[in-house]
Formats: sequence, C-alpha cells, structure tokens
Amino acid sequence: GAGVSQSPRYKVAKRGQDVALRCDPISGHVSLFWYQQALGQGPEFLTYFQNEAQLDKSGLPSDRFFAERPEGSVSTLKIQRTQQEDSAVYLCASSLQGTSYNEQFFGPGTRLTVL
Amino acid sequence: KQEVTQIPAALSVPEGENLVLNCSFTDSAIYNLQWFRQDPGKGLTSLLLIQSSQREQTSGRLNASLDKSSGRSTLYIAASQPGDSATYLCAVRHPGGADGLTFGKGTHLIIQP
Repeated sequence: GAGVSQSPRYKVAKRGQDVALRCDPISGHVSLFWYQQALGQGPEFLTYFQNEAQLDKSGLPSDRFFAERPEGSVSTLKIQRTQQEDSAVYLCASSLQGTSYNEQFFGPGTRLTVL
Repeated sequence: KQEVTQIPAALSVPEGENLVLNCSFTDSAIYNLQWFRQDPGKGLTSLLLIQSSQREQTSGRLNASLDKSSGRSTLYIAASQPGDSATYLCAVRHPGGADGLTFGKGTHLIIQP
C-alpha cells in the first residue's frame, strides 16, 4: 500500500489488560511518530523514531507506555495495565527523512476503548 | 511552551462561499506549519506544508499563508463544497520542544448544500 497503515483499527480492552498497536509506515520513510488524540482535541505527540532509534519519548504519559521499532520499519506501541484515561485514538505518522522540515503522513489510527 | 490556537472552533456556511480558517502559535521560532483535514473516524490528510521561509502555499482551491513574525497562519478555501465538510487542524514543528508536531484543537467546518 502507498500510505501509512495501522492495526487494529478498533480495540476494546478491559481495564488492566495490556494492548499492542501496530504501525506500518510508508516504505522507505526514516522517521516515525506516535500521537494520542482524545475526543474533541488535537493530536498530542507521544514519541519519535529515526530508523530504529527512539530519539524522543518525552510525550509518553507514563511508564505504562512503551514503543519500539526494532528493524527501523514497523513500530509497535504497547500500553500495559490499561486505564480508562488511555481511551483515545492512537495515530501513527511517518516522514521521508530525519530532518525537521519534512511533511508528516498519517495513518487512519487505532481507536482504543478501555472499559 | 508552544501553544497553537484555532479560531473559530466551528463554522457553518452555505455552499459556494469563500472562507478563512485561522491558526495562531505563541512561539514564532518554527520549522514549518502543516494544515490537515480530518474526517469523522478517520486519520489526518495532509493538505499543505509551509516551511518557515515561505509565505504561502496553494493546492487547488486551498491557499495557506504564513506570517511567522506575528505567529499566524490562515487557510483560505475558495468556492466551498459540501465535500469540504471536515475538521481542519493546523500544526507546527518547532525547535526547543518535543520532536513531534504541536497541534491546535481544530475547526469543525460544515458546508451546507
């Protein structure tokens, strides 16, 4: 596919469960970003990878959130012991190069609902 | 801390009108500004990217301007159509903060047929 893909598109978890969200960036894109979007709000930055290196994780809200990109392509965002406040849409974006000037392209998001 | 504000929060206009969406940011030291469109339940579609050295970008009926010194950008939509109905988000990438984009809360636009 030509765009960023994410799976699953929808996830319902019981409070306390662990979840894993997957992002497939555009082929060849160096940079990968994760964002969290609460209902009625703009997306908020979580973490940033350049190839396999996680260069910025300042937006991760707690140590229950963990992201990885071991081979510099697919990335997984893991949330441990989910809580109701984790309910949101999780968006992944990629850009071609590792500079600050490149356009970011977003996937469709994963809507997480924690009951 | 960079903050992005979008006005109005919601807008409803008849089809065919030209309209302007506003975006302001508090720290003028930005790398670029990007306008996005978000349809309900969908991800973000990039509309226009303006680098900090540029004044405007155009794509079809869309024109985005950037006044970095005053911390403002506008998105102009000409001859609006019902298919333009969506939420429009602006975002900046800037030094000194996190590596991601800082977004506004968006303008929810409805074009009445």
